[in-house]
Amino acid sequence: ETGVTQTPRHLVMGMTNKKSLKCEQHLGHNAMYWYKQSAKKPLELMFVYNFKEQTENNSVPSRFSPECPNSSHLFLHLHTLQPEDSALYLCASSQVVAKRGNQPQHFGDGTRLSIL
Amino acid sequence: TQLLEQSPQFLSIQEGENLTVYCNSSSVFSSLQWYRQEPGEGPVLLVTVVTGGEVKKLKRLTFQFGDARKDSSLHITAAQPGDTGLYLCAGAPGGKLIFGQGTELSVKP
Repeated sequence: ETGVTQTPRHLVMGMTNKKSLKCEQHLGHNAMYWYKQSAKKPLELMFVYNFKEQTENNSVPSRFSPECPNSSHLFLHLHTLQPEDSALYLCASSQVVAKRGNQPQHFGDGTRLSIL
Repeated sequence: TQLLEQSPQFLSIQEGENLTVYCNSSSVFSSLQWYRQEPGEGPVLLVTVVTGGEVKKLKRLTFQFGDARKDSSLHITAAQPGDTGLYLCAGAPGGKLIFGQGTELSVKP
């Protein structure tokens, strides 16, 4: 069962392109997250949304622009990316914001992004 | 910088062997989570440990939270090829969720 759906699963884009990643959760959760997963590095939290409001931005470059129109949908708009931005981008949701690390996070299967 | 350090980073074993994966930090955690991520998929929560010294079992997997709540271990008994994957620990010292870099486990038949 995957209550968190990410599209596309794979994306190849040039550095001057503009594209968007989409995440949708069917779990009735109120918090949504974007993570970046690079080889041999820990999962990096990028953005946190709680009830559609952005509550955290972990010093992410402005070429990544998140959008959360409602509690079920989360987008990551990409523009003028760099080769080092190639990674797996994971979306997650939880019932409430995981401030104490005790909220189960439900992850999507990610978008594998390659920047040419 | 608050870090979660996992060891070993890579582990390749034969089916039927036992193994232990460690998650260590200098920070105290109110709780720690363990996730497994299979190739091509997102991480899936296995367990959350909350109380210092707590032991939780999930079939052949045994999770332990250190008495001081600064470390945790995952022990797998009689590993199976289906246990292959990336094992991640996660916690939120100071209110911000962080993940360890993971232990990549490969169980060969």
